[in-house]
Amino acid sequence: AQSVAQPEDQVNVAEGNPLTVKCTYSVSGNPYLFWYVQYPNRGLQFLLKYITGDNLVKGSYGFEAEFNKSQTSFHLKKPSALVSDSALYFCAVRDSIQGAQKLVFGQGTRLTINP
Amino acid sequence: DADVTQTPRNRITKTGKRIMLECSQTKGHDRMYWYRQDPGLGLRLIYYSFDVKDINKGEISDGYSVSRQAQAKFSLSLESAIPNQTALYFCATSPGLANTGELFFGEGSRLTVL
Repeated sequence: AQSVAQPEDQVNVAEGNPLTVKCTYSVSGNPYLFWYVQYPNRGLQFLLKYITGDNLVKGSYGFEAEFNKSQTSFHLKKPSALVSDSALYFCAVRDSIQGAQKLVFGQGTRLTINP
Repeated sequence: DADVTQTPRNRITKTGKRIMLECSQTKGHDRMYWYRQDPGLGLRLIYYSFDVKDINKGEISDGYSVSRQAQAKFSLSLESAIPNQTALYFCATSPGLANTGELFFGEGSRLTVL
């Protein structure tokens, strides 16, 4: 069965500093990996995904994520944090094997950017 | 207008009452999903549907039922609500087989069961 873990419930970063939100996964086949962001009183919005190819993927709002197969990780990063990046971030994984059509989400990491 | 619309956005009800949450979409997607969000637990899949004649249970379907009335409509019912069903519920859609898994979410329906 596929699973995903976000080891940090909360991450605090000063504005202008780099940020990292961690995610590890477990699947039987090759992973399809996703990051979503949830702002207060809103639904989840897609940020970026890794399907195949370059291990560093770039997404919306200046975010990027690095796929590391040996460490089964897909950490979300941004070189310089903004206060407006404060939100709840979810990592999700889907197994690429036939029949595994569902996304499984992590428990979420609350990111707070301090002015 | 939102591409994925959920109604109601907020609902307070009492134990034992029947509740229906509705979802409609204008994205033309075949696949629709109902998720439940609880603090510290992330999103958990309740039911999903790949087309009008296809309904599948997710990981936490007990106590819930769904109806896919049309390609654009997917409703979630709680036949007899209980307090531990208090949560934020999300409907989501995705395209068909060519899709790699990206979901498009509604704004959520907050349900409180007293």
